[in-house]
Amino acid sequence: QVQLVESGGGLVKPGGSLRLSCAASRFTFSDYYMTWIRQAPGKGLEWVSYISSRGGSLYYADSVKGRFTISRDNTKNSLYLQMNSLRAEDTAVYYCARGQYISTYFFDFWGRGTLVTVSS
Amino acid sequence: SYELTQPPSVSVSPGQTARITCSGDKLGDKYACWYYQKPGQSPILVIYEDTKRPSGIPERFSGSNSGNTATLTISGTQAMDEADYYCQAWDSSTHVVFGGGTKLTVL
Repeated sequence: QVQLVESGGGLVKPGGSLRLSCAASRFTFSDYYMTWIRQAPGKGLEWVSYISSRGGSLYYADSVKGRFTISRDNTKNSLYLQMNSLRAEDTAVYYCARGQYISTYFFDFWGRGTLVTVSS
Repeated sequence: SYELTQPPSVSVSPGQTARITCSGDKLGDKYACWYYQKPGQSPILVIYEDTKRPSGIPERFSGSNSGNTATLTISGTQAMDEADYYCQAWDSSTHVVFGGGTKLTVL
């Protein structure tokens, strides 16, 4: 079964930085688009960013554009999210998800998430 | 930007059919998918490309998409189906869009 394990979450002050990681296993990581999706406490799902299988195409939600950077290392089967200039509204559980980019784009496996709390 | 609208809540009696809608401009021209999420757990894909079920998803889950509305139908709803349900679509300009979520209550 596909495994996605996020790490790197924690408490950070407004304006601070954090780097999330997602370790993938039990599938050929380099064949898939990968995505970060977040969920604020008690709220719905919000797409954050996705990256193509080889890392050549990157997309961001307007809410994080210019502050967050997605990347991947296919040699390490790992996905990353560098988060800078963090704000209180970035507080959320951040999920790593495997993408199926066919005629559309959806997510067939999700990690358990890592909690990011932005507070002074 | 593209938006998807879901009702905040839907209630159904056990054994009955639950229908959860997702509305968006010309949504029928795109593919819709659905996820369910139980408290404290990660979302799980239940329908993709409008009507397809991933392996392991019960046959009582089905989907449709036409016009401006996609619908997730749960036939013979069980107590274990009580969860939050999210629709999602992909748009070339907005990219990934989620609906606001619908809380399904089985009572």
